[in-house]
Amino acid sequence: EDKVVQSPLSLVVHEGDTVTLNCSYEVTNFRSLLWYKQEKKAPTFLFMLTSSGIEKKSGRLSSILDKKELFSILNITATQTGDSAVYLCAVGGSGTYKYIFGTGTRLKVLA
Amino acid sequence: GAVVSQHPSWVICKSGTSVKIECRSLDFQATTMFWYRQFPKQSLMLMATSNEGSKATYEQGVEKDKFLINHASLTLSTLTVTSAHPEDSSFYICSARHTGTVNYEQYFGPGTRLTVT
Repeated sequence: EDKVVQSPLSLVVHEGDTVTLNCSYEVTNFRSLLWYKQEKKAPTFLFMLTSSGIEKKSGRLSSILDKKELFSILNITATQTGDSAVYLCAVGGSGTYKYIFGTGTRLKVLA
Repeated sequence: GAVVSQHPSWVICKSGTSVKIECRSLDFQATTMFWYRQFPKQSLMLMATSNEGSKATYEQGVEKDKFLINHASLTLSTLTVTSAHPEDSSFYICSARHTGTVNYEQYFGPGTRLTVT
């Protein structure tokens, strides 16, 4: 059965800290991995990763995929209170458009 | 671009009634849309894949006769919760796959909060 596991489940840091969020997966015929940020409503897209070892970067956020070890990490540097959210990882397999979501990591950044 | 809307954003209904939720892709065509539900402090659980012009594909454990899905056009999918009960109270989110892109990125609607009393 396909599954996606995220860790830690929750995290509390102070502004300026750097955080690393983990996503490990078991999916038949892996196609791509997505990272989303969810605040109060629907998730907003952050990154899509398909190739191993290639870092995607957007401002203070970056992500990388390791297809051999079946995991991805999402890094946030110099955290701000606005980074407080639930970060979701979703993985899709080939032959289907659907994605399996992990349980998410709830990040709280204190001022 | 790539905006998805949902209507209504929240709804309260009485037990035993049916509720219809609409999901629209506003500025792109979507042959495939997805319906998720999310309980408080939990992740998104895929309920079904909605395919334009054909029957929806339901995930294991999701009652297709209770959650009716219709995807009649390239920009609209509807989810009808029939004979709703309090345990159906949840946050329902749809997403749409942009037909014009080569990747599989999904664009999410803002969600609909359903409360069944």
